[in-house]
Amino acid sequence: GEDVEQSLFLSVREGDSSVINCTYTDSSSTYLYWYKQEPGAGLQLLTYIFSNMDMKQDQRLTVLLNKKDKHLSLRIADTQTGDSAIYFCAESSLGSGYALNFGKGTSLLVTP
Amino acid sequence: DSGVTQTPKHLITATGQRVTLRCSPRSGDLSVYWYQQSLDQGLQFLIQYYNGEERAKGNILERFSAQQFPDLHSELNLSSLELGDSALYFCASSVGQGGSYNEQFFGPGTRLTVL
Repeated sequence: GEDVEQSLFLSVREGDSSVINCTYTDSSSTYLYWYKQEPGAGLQLLTYIFSNMDMKQDQRLTVLLNKKDKHLSLRIADTQTGDSAIYFCAESSLGSGYALNFGKGTSLLVTP
Repeated sequence: DSGVTQTPKHLITATGQRVTLRCSPRSGDLSVYWYQQSLDQGLQFLIQYYNGEERAKGNILERFSAQQFPDLHSELNLSSLELGDSALYFCASSVGQGGSYNEQFFGPGTRLTVL
């Protein structure tokens, strides 16, 4: 299937901004998502972006999409220790019935 | 709480056995998706049902099967279990079947351990 790639680990200090990057290969991706998974918990949708958008902002979260390079990023402003979790990038397209195709996840560690 | 429930929370069984995982979608959601999360494969889509009919298939093994019942709950059946089937199995539900933005809400998962 099509690939979604993310770096595996990111460490930031509390109060700094975090930027998590993702690349994907499916040019027909319609929606791109960021999910958060805390230890022992399910997946929580943080935000999503439609493929014809470049940017979406939602409070502390900013999503940037470069469709030409197939690059997606999630910026978390003023990162807090409670933001420590695994962040998954995912894409969906008509070809897969809009099921989610996930990256392997980026483990974010926020240190005081 | 997403409104999606999954039972059991944990399941421990032996190789060669068969298990059934259950999912109840959010009220009003017609689509159910099954995903497998393992250390080596990550999160993988298995199968989707919409209003009782199979809608899309992902990397689901032939030993696995699923169905969605008239009350919209779904079951994932895993048979001839192998050690490599040990994973966290998530169910997600959504209102529609795709075509437009269609948020999927995830259940808490069933952790399967095959010994």
